[in-house]
Amino acid sequence: DTAVSQTPKYLVTQMGNDKSIKCEQNLGHDTMYWYKQDSKKFLKIMFSYNNKELIINETVPNRFSPKSPDKAHLNLHINSLELGDSAVYFCASSRPGETQYFGPGTRLLVL
Amino acid sequence: GESVGLHLPTLSVQEGDNSIINCAYSNSASDYFIWYKQESGKGPQFIIDIRSNMDKRQGQRVTVLLNKTVKHLSLQIAATQPGDSAVYFCAENIIGQNFVFGPGTRLSVLP
Repeated sequence: DTAVSQTPKYLVTQMGNDKSIKCEQNLGHDTMYWYKQDSKKFLKIMFSYNNKELIINETVPNRFSPKSPDKAHLNLHINSLELGDSAVYFCASSRPGETQYFGPGTRLLVL
Repeated sequence: GESVGLHLPTLSVQEGDNSIINCAYSNSASDYFIWYKQESGKGPQFIIDIRSNMDKRQGQRVTVLLNKTVKHLSLQIAATQPGDSAVYFCAENIIGQNFVFGPGTRLSVLP
């Protein structure tokens, strides 16, 4: 009965690799998000997406790309991983303009 | 830059005392505010919200106060318990735009 789920919970990989993080929500929300949380706990939005529009934070490198196979899923694909990509990545979902429900996070470590 | 900030990055309180966590925001057009609680190893969790047409809202042991004149938001936790230990984030939103999160305050409850 988990509302927003992410896999994997932990991801350790080498620099230069390509990886994906999966997110699923069973709340029937139209909008999903990806956030990056750095070591200082600062939460920064990367993308917001609904079935009509993708909004990209302009500071996000184009190595990051969201992929949505359907309304309940928004996966995050990362190409050519760099050391600075190490962080916790959170998926979230919401109805437009309402509170967001967050997943448990994926802890990415790039070596 | 981000438009939401916190005065106190860390706050330590005795168990049973009341806690007050503050947040300053800079966008006077923001009309919806949320407080989130993030426990260690978990995603942010909704605590309480308030819209700009209100100046106070109460929940169970928590109260949010909004002062639009000075663009200040606070979270009050009554009778703080060990389970309240977490990082607390305020977030602001303008209709049709994404939420902006503050940098977070770590609350430590002392026995």
